[in-house]
Amino acid sequence: GNSVTQMEGPVTLSEEAFLTINCTYTATGYPSLFWYVQYPGEGLQLLLKATKADDKGSNKGFEATYRKETTSFHLEKGSVQVSDSAVYFCARSSGGYQKVTFGTGTKLQVIP
Amino acid sequence: EPEVTQTPSHQVTQMGQEVILRCVPISNHLYFYWYRQILGQKVEFLVSFYNNEISEKSEIFDDQFSVERPDGSNFTLKIRSTKLEDSAMYFCASNGGTDTQYFGPGTRLTVL
Repeated sequence: GNSVTQMEGPVTLSEEAFLTINCTYTATGYPSLFWYVQYPGEGLQLLLKATKADDKGSNKGFEATYRKETTSFHLEKGSVQVSDSAVYFCARSSGGYQKVTFGTGTKLQVIP
Repeated sequence: EPEVTQTPSHQVTQMGQEVILRCVPISNHLYFYWYRQILGQKVEFLVSFYNNEISEKSEIFDDQFSVERPDGSNFTLKIRSTKLEDSAMYFCASNGGTDTQYFGPGTRLTVL
């Protein structure tokens, strides 16, 4: 079936460090790919998305590129802030109104 | 910006009791979903709903669960006889026909 695998957390970084959170997906069909973020005590917010190969999603300094050849959608940010501390979920859907399948989530803690 | 809302934010119930979780999707959306997240675990799909009927459901969504759109704005999840293992955060989501689902803030259900 469809699945998403992302790196285990927690990830602890100092402020202004470079962030990478790895994510790979099953290549069934032509999925849309997403990163959702969950801040402490809050719900899921869409951070960015990409709908086809080589698309780059970006938002709030975060980026992820849809790589079909490696079935990956790694999340990156050049300089993290304390306010980026949250749980990040990689996700996929088969497009349209189909259900979203989530990875296990990666907790990021940024320390001053 | 339109958003999905959910009530209550926290529900505490006794095992065996019925609970109804309520959601107000974004007003012009036509596709609705429920997901759940057991503490510390991944977000799991429960059910999708379109045109007043269930489109897809997971193996979690057994006969104890039901969904309803009782009027033009609300979308509800009913658990008929709650079990301890139903304790989780329940997220409602809606989709306007694109590939993006918008999530509500969640209802934390605690079954004692």
